[in-house]
Amino acid sequence: AQSVTQLGSHVSVSEGALVLLRCNYSSSVPPYLFWYVQYPNQGLQLLLKYTSAATLVKGINGFEAEFKKSETSFHLTKPSAHMSDAAEYFCAVSASGQNFVFGPGTRLSVLP
Amino acid sequence: DAGVIQSPRHEVTEMGQEVTLRCKPISGHNSLFWYRQTMMRGLELLIYFNNNVPIDDSGMPEDRFSAKMPNASFSTLKIQPSEPRDSAVYFCASSLRSGGAGYEQYFGPGTRLTVT
Repeated sequence: AQSVTQLGSHVSVSEGALVLLRCNYSSSVPPYLFWYVQYPNQGLQLLLKYTSAATLVKGINGFEAEFKKSETSFHLTKPSAHMSDAAEYFCAVSASGQNFVFGPGTRLSVLP
Repeated sequence: DAGVIQSPRHEVTEMGQEVTLRCKPISGHNSLFWYRQTMMRGLELLIYFNNNVPIDDSGMPEDRFSAKMPNASFSTLKIQPSEPRDSAVYFCASSLRSGGAGYEQYFGPGTRLTVT
């Protein structure tokens, strides 16, 4: 069985500060991992994905995530937050590459 | 590409009525997923199809829910009869399963359903 936990349902950062959103997963087989972003009243948009190639994955909008097998983590980071980054972020795990299990989400607020 | 298209975007109906949600996946994609999103339960997978065939419907909450995919470019999710607890945002997503790994899913804008 697979599962995802996201530490912190709400994270606030100042504009220009580092963004760190945490994701830990559980999977019985080597997983595929994804980060999605959801803006208000919109669907989910893929930010980046890990599929067993490079452990440091770069995505859109300056985000990146690092796969750490020993820590079963896939935390999302961005060096400098922008107001437009305010949204809900979802981590997802898949053992088969197809059927996803999503985490509960983390709402990111960016303060001026 | 137009992306995943869902209709209607908003639906308000009375308890007991039949509701049909529609989805057009991205052209060429061969997998389709229906999700439900609520504040209490987050994002839940209801059912998914590969090549128009239902693969896993274990997330369908009860017999009032049914989904069909008559062809590669159209799917419906039906609730009959609807209940207030069905109020949620329903998302459709599609992906291309072609071997390899990491089939990212592309989401539609969702249908916001309100059952009064």
